[in-house]
Amino acid sequence: KAGVTQTPRYLIKTRGQQVTLSCSPISGHRSVSWYQQTPGQGLQFLFEYFSETQRNKGNFPGRFSGRQFSNSRSEMNVSTLELGDSALYLCASSLSAGGLSKTQYFGPGTRLLVL
Amino acid sequence: QQQVKQSPQSLIVQKGGISIINCAYENTAFDYFPWYQQFPGKGPALLIAIRPDVSEKKEGRFTISFNKSAKQFSLHIMDSQPGDSATYFCAATFQGAQKLVFGQGTRLTINP
Repeated sequence: KAGVTQTPRYLIKTRGQQVTLSCSPISGHRSVSWYQQTPGQGLQFLFEYFSETQRNKGNFPGRFSGRQFSNSRSEMNVSTLELGDSALYLCASSLSAGGLSKTQYFGPGTRLLVL
Repeated sequence: QQQVKQSPQSLIVQKGGISIINCAYENTAFDYFPWYQQFPGKGPALLIAIRPDVSEKKEGRFTISFNKSAKQFSLHIMDSQPGDSATYFCAATFQGAQKLVFGQGTRLTINP
């Protein structure tokens, strides 16, 4: 089975712009979560989607949003980019939401640099 | 209360030695404790995970020890190899949720 894929892998934007990142989960996986990784804050949870519904949201401003499509693919959007948004954005997929299927598989991430 | 505290921040071990990384948590609502390994330029990869009703779980050279009363868990890497050099993260999730709460990470270096 192919793993979690994320596109693009690298992105350079300037302050004030917006960006959309894409994630394709492992085939058959219906839950997708997003995380931000920075040297200072470590790995922080952004949001979780299951069956096109946001189930949980982390402590990030409203500039961060996401969605999930009927094929379980997910996108996250960051509007009005700030320098502090520079980070590695990771997507993780799992078979279902909660319950016994807690194993999450991470993609390689999208490295975003905001200038 | 949602924090997971990890130590040490960095660790150097000789090849063949035992690497030990510790984590502590406060919230007793956590019900799943995975460990992830991350190499530079890659996403975290699940190593091993445990639930609080088990005190120890072993997979190959990797062992999780879990102390529910102390709210602590640790990763032991036996016979550490240079290829184990990576950053290790402990994490925890709440019952019924997928959200992972990560520790701060430990940069492990295995000297040949």
